[in-house]
Amino acid sequence: ETGVTQTPRHLVMGMTNKKSLKCEQHLGHNAMYWYKQSAKKPLELMFVYSLEERVENNSVPSRFSPECPNSSHLFLHLHTLQPEDSALYLCASSQEAWASEGLAGGELFFGEGSRLTVL
Amino acid sequence: SQQGEEDPQALSIQEGENATMNCSYKTSINNLQWYRQNSGRGLVHLILIRSNEREKHSGRLRVTLDTSKKSSSLLITASRAADTASYFCATDDGAQKLVFGQGTRLTINP
Repeated sequence: ETGVTQTPRHLVMGMTNKKSLKCEQHLGHNAMYWYKQSAKKPLELMFVYSLEERVENNSVPSRFSPECPNSSHLFLHLHTLQPEDSALYLCASSQEAWASEGLAGGELFFGEGSRLTVL
Repeated sequence: SQQGEEDPQALSIQEGENATMNCSYKTSINNLQWYRQNSGRGLVHLILIRSNEREKHSGRLRVTLDTSKKSSSLLITASRAADTASYFCATDDGAQKLVFGQGTRLTINP
């Protein structure tokens, strides 16, 4: 079983729909992340949560709304999206939020992603 | 913002050959990491090298880091078809996050 589980794996939605992506980590980590991966672009960091508190919001449009009810679960609520929001959304976790000297390696553990298509 | 840039963007080699990918970055870092991504899947961490290290090995992987040139290389020896994937470097500057490059798409031909 993978340490980070994302559901659904595939989602097709219209621009007026409301949907949510879910992420669950079984690794006992304190930090969770949402990344967006579009074709021919680098991974874009969207949100970072550390101990359930949002610590990073990279100027993401308000049509994306994250929620972190506890350190094991992370949601991304989607509302009135645009076709250009179609992408692979990746959830990740790490031992601590800031990968710096002295902490546990700083590596990220990713889920398999949710492939979102907005029509 | 600081970003690792991988080179080449795409690489195609025969099975059994060695594959080398390079990463350049712009500012000082605490560590640099390499990840692999199979098509349509999540990223998998391969190796982390700290700023005070010059070389690191893990199985068939060898990573070097040259902080004076702000560059790193990932060498995969004796490549296999299963190594076909995209490879990303990610830099940690200690300022709160990892920044990923656009990746090198590696194809191993049987």
